[in-house]
Amino acid sequence: DARVTQTPRHKVTEMGQEVTMRCQPILGHNTVFWYRQTMMQGLELLAYFRNRAPLDDSGMPKDRFSAEMPDATLATLKIQPSEPRDSAVYFCASGSASPAYEQYFGPGTRLTVT
Amino acid sequence: AQSVSQHNHHVILSEAASLELGCNYSYGGTVNLFWYVQYPGQHLQLLLKYFSGDPLVKGIKGFEAEFIKSKFSFNLRKPSVQWSDTAEYFCAAANDYKLSFGAGTTVTVRA
Repeated sequence: DARVTQTPRHKVTEMGQEVTMRCQPILGHNTVFWYRQTMMQGLELLAYFRNRAPLDDSGMPKDRFSAEMPDATLATLKIQPSEPRDSAVYFCASGSASPAYEQYFGPGTRLTVT
Repeated sequence: AQSVSQHNHHVILSEAASLELGCNYSYGGTVNLFWYVQYPGQHLQLLLKYFSGDPLVKGIKGFEAEFIKSKFSFNLRKPSVQWSDTAEYFCAAANDYKLSFGAGTTVTVRA
C-alpha cells in the first residue's frame, strides 16, 4: 500500500530557528504539492512541482520559505527564520498524470513556533 | 483562477440521518472534481472523484456525489450516516495539476 511519508510528524521550535520538513512522494508520482492548513485560512497551496521542477510557488512567502526537490524521492520545505504565525499543519501530496490530477496526501507535519 | 465554495461550515446530525453537503465551483471549462475527508487528527483521504461520464459518482464508505454541469455543482450525499463519519469534508476542483479546495464542512454525527 503506497503512501506519502512526511517527517517529522511534530515539530516545536523557537521563533527565529530554521525548520526543515521532508516528504517522500509515492514512487512513480511525478507531481508533489505542499499545503499549509490552519483554522483561519483552511488549506492553502504553497508550492507544487512537476518532474522535480517548481511550477508554482506563488502561495509561498518568498522571504522565508523555500521548497526543493533534490531528487525524485525527496521534497523539502524549509522555513528560515520561523515565526509564530507559521504554526500550522503542513501537508505534502503527490500525484501523477494518470489518474489525472488525483493527489495522495501525507500525514502532515504539525509545526508549532513559540 | 477557479474557486470552490462549500455551502455549510458545520453540520450536526444524528446517526442514520441523511447527509448532503453542497459544493459549487467557478471554473467553466473542463474540470475534475473531488471530495476529500479528513478524520480528526488525520490527513486528507480521497472519498470520490469525477472526471467524465456518469454524473453520479459512487465513492468509498457509502458516499456518492452528483455532478450537475448547469449548476456548477458537485454535492456529496450519504443516505445514512454513522458516528464514524464525523470528520471534515473538502470539495476540490482541479484544473491542470492544481487543486483548489473549498473551506471545508465539519460534520458532527451524534450517536
